[in-house]
Amino acid sequence: EVQLVESGGGLVQPGGSLRLSCAASGFTFSSYWMHWVRQAPGKGLVWVSRINSDGSSTSYADSVKGRFTISRDNAKNTLYLQMNSLRAEDTAVYYCARDNEIAVAAPFDPWGQGTLVTVSS
Amino acid sequence: SYELTQPLSVSVALGQTARITCGGNNIGSKNVHWYQQKPGQAPVLVIYRDSNRPSGIPERFSGSNSGNTATLTISRAQAGDEADYYCQVWDSSTLWVFGGGTKLTVL
Repeated sequence: EVQLVESGGGLVQPGGSLRLSCAASGFTFSSYWMHWVRQAPGKGLVWVSRINSDGSSTSYADSVKGRFTISRDNAKNTLYLQMNSLRAEDTAVYYCARDNEIAVAAPFDPWGQGTLVTVSS
Repeated sequence: SYELTQPLSVSVALGQTARITCGGNNIGSKNVHWYQQKPGQAPVLVIYRDSNRPSGIPERFSGSNSGNTATLTISRAQAGDEADYYCQVWDSSTLWVFGGGTKLTVL
């Protein structure tokens, strides 16, 4: 069964840091692009970042560029999101998601269950 | 930047057909994906590349895309279809974009 399981969320003060992890299983992790998507409480989905299959290329939404870093360890089948200089507006459930095919503009499938990040003093 | 516009809410009578629109500049030239999200759950892909259904998604779900509007159609709506629905595209300048989401209510 293809599965993604996020961890690492929690309460952090403004200006602080947090690292999220997404453990993948049931597929060849090293073959797929991966993404982080977030959802603020009561709001819609917002794409955050993506990484290509070997980790050599990354992209970020303007709102997190320079503060967040996406990475992956294909030997450990794990995706990461290092979040620095956190702000209140970064409060959200963070989902990891996989491209469902090895192609440009592929849809995201599956998604993990999400991990909640709360930025508050 | 590229933007997608969805109605905040759509209502449909039980057993009838619901249509949820997603507007964007020349969206017909892009591949549109649709996700269903029920409260407290992760999004689930229900339509990809305009009109394709992943395995396990009922045939009642269909999609179309032309001009400036993409449409998700849910036939014979059931109570279990109540959820938020999001459209998504990839744009060369904005990268991955989601619509604001539409809350579907089945009456």
